[in-house]
Amino acid sequence: DAKTTQPTSMDCAEGRAANLPCNHSTISGNEYVYWYRQIHSQGPQYIIHGLKNNETNEMASLIITEDRKSSTLILPHATLRDTAVYYCIVRVPDNQGGKLIFGQGTELSVKP
Amino acid sequence: KAGVTQTPRYLIKTRGQQVTLSCSPISGHRSVSWYQQTPGQGLQFLFEYFSETQRNKGNFPGRFSGRQFSNSRSEMNVSTLELGDSALYLCASSLGQGVRGYTFGSGTRLTVV
Repeated sequence: DAKTTQPTSMDCAEGRAANLPCNHSTISGNEYVYWYRQIHSQGPQYIIHGLKNNETNEMASLIITEDRKSSTLILPHATLRDTAVYYCIVRVPDNQGGKLIFGQGTELSVKP
Repeated sequence: KAGVTQTPRYLIKTRGQQVTLSCSPISGHRSVSWYQQTPGQGLQFLFEYFSETQRNKGNFPGRFSGRQFSNSRSEMNVSTLELGDSALYLCASSLGQGVRGYTFGSGTRLTVV
């Protein structure tokens, strides 16, 4: 599975959009980009995933560049409850043996 | 529907003892993965079971083992506990096929004294 690079920490003002970048320059054609977040002492929470098209759900939007070497997770209106560590993960599908390997993630602090 | 259930939530053991942790996946999920989380190493993959077979394994010593039952419930066992095994142990379940995300439990906090 490809390796990802994320900033260690970011701040965001409450009510503003939080844009979390992720680099995955060695991604392969069959690898998906996943985002999870972990609020202190809880299990990680699935946010969104995508292959090459941009994706949106009730939690966030995922923008993947055309060359697929980087992506951005967008929380459109960040709230204090969005303060968490956000993990960007690249992996192949389950039936191809893809493990979910976590890096160090980005610690997002949403401030009032 | 019920989420991923891990028991017990907290556990204190003595060095040299062994421990068994349990994970009940979401109904219908056939894959269960286990992770160890420590402040120094972060979230580390232990192993994954799918339909009672180990499908993936991380880089942990043989003291760490697991199994999955026919109802998809899984247990992990750590023998000869060391102080460094103190961690939050997380279990995650998924359908096991396709690309859907994993759902994590709240974890078992193991303290080895």
